[in-house]
Amino acid sequence: KNEVEQSPQNLTAQEGEFITINCSYSVGISALHWLQQHPGGGIVSLFMLSSGKKKHGRLIATINIQEKHSSLHITASHPRDSAVYICAVSNTGNQFYFGTGTSLTVIP
Amino acid sequence: EAGVVQSPRYKIIEKKQPVAFWCNPISGHNTLYWYRQNLGQGPELLIRYENEEAVDDSQLPKDRFSAERLKGVDSTLKIQPAELGDSAVYLCASSLDSEAFFGQGTRLTVV
Repeated sequence: KNEVEQSPQNLTAQEGEFITINCSYSVGISALHWLQQHPGGGIVSLFMLSSGKKKHGRLIATINIQEKHSSLHITASHPRDSAVYICAVSNTGNQFYFGTGTSLTVIP
Repeated sequence: EAGVVQSPRYKIIEKKQPVAFWCNPISGHNTLYWYRQNLGQGPELLIRYENEEAVDDSQLPKDRFSAERLKGVDSTLKIQPAELGDSAVYLCASSLDSEAFFGQGTRLTVV
């Protein structure tokens, strides 16, 4: 069993739709990360959070420490949001565990 | 400030040939990671450095892979000899205070 599980694996949405990607983890963490990876590109960190909620533009990330669950929301989705979104967790020992990613396609 | 810099971006080699990747982490980041990412998968750790010390290399295939981080700054990852199954994206990351920053990756194709 993977330490980090994401769902869905693939997601197709119409432009403007509200999108949610879920992440569950089974290990102790010091932080949870949401990462974005475009085809052929490197990985960009969107959020690092250890509690509560963070918002950046149209992106919102929440985490529930008790339930070991996090969600990434995209409001008013746009084709440029099409990418792979990866959930990762880190611990105090600088170890990272990654989910397998959610491939998002936003259709105009 | 520049982020994590990797080179080359792309590399195509024939099997059994050697290949090397280079990574320059963000200045001041003591922790450096090399990951391998296959298509449709998340990154898999190959080796983690704290300064110049390799603290986790349990997943590094040591028969053909080697890495070094002399002086605790930039790092190289080498494969010799390369096999067809080594085709993947090789990502370097550095971190400070639990936040990781990734390079653009090197896409390796072994033919």
